[in-house]
Amino acid sequence: DTGVSQNPRHKITKRGQNVTFRCDPISEHNRLYWYRQTLGQGPEFLTYFQNEAQLEKSRLLSDRFSAERPKGSFSTLEIQRTEQGDSAMYLCASSTRTDPLYFGPGTRLTVT
Amino acid sequence: GENVEQHPSTLSVQEGDSAVIKCTYSDSASNYFPWYKQELGKRPQLIIDIRSNVGEKKDQRIAVTLNKTAKHFSLHITETQPEDSAVYFCAASKLWSMRFGAGTRLTVKP
Repeated sequence: DTGVSQNPRHKITKRGQNVTFRCDPISEHNRLYWYRQTLGQGPEFLTYFQNEAQLEKSRLLSDRFSAERPKGSFSTLEIQRTEQGDSAMYLCASSTRTDPLYFGPGTRLTVT
Repeated sequence: GENVEQHPSTLSVQEGDSAVIKCTYSDSASNYFPWYKQELGKRPQLIIDIRSNVGEKKDQRIAVTLNKTAKHFSLHITETQPEDSAVYFCAASKLWSMRFGAGTRLTVKP
């Protein structure tokens, strides 16, 4: 286990389709975050899990977005009815209470 | 919620010069302030961090200072090298909640 992994690394989809991304955190990390990053911007917070509980969700996140972490290990982020404005890099990060955030390589989503 | 502002958005320096990037935060309860470096096409990577009970921290050519009263913190890079060229992000955190600045694109000219 060398770090946070994300799959797929790239996803191209047509507008209106649903997409799902997966994040596998560092194994001993109980905290898991999803961020979205667009070109020239910093990571924008989407949601946070502590173990399997989703403790915070950005109020900017529409109801088309949903995330799960069913067993407190890997997490999935689903976007329903994708729009062109959803095109971005989706970053997952994990940590413990005392560790900093470690980011995954991201999933680049392109909605055509 | 927390709001983090970062300046400047772009910074160009000559190799060997120093670079300073500044951030302000809004939530006085924030107590952890990391800095991340992101090279083109790569993930953000932690380069240095500071907690609110410390005013300054140094690691070789990089240092971070924190002024809790003014709610601002800064990244200092001395003796810059071309490989320091990247986008740098500051962040402010309390409990689990971490928010990032918009980033500074640093270019070090050889």
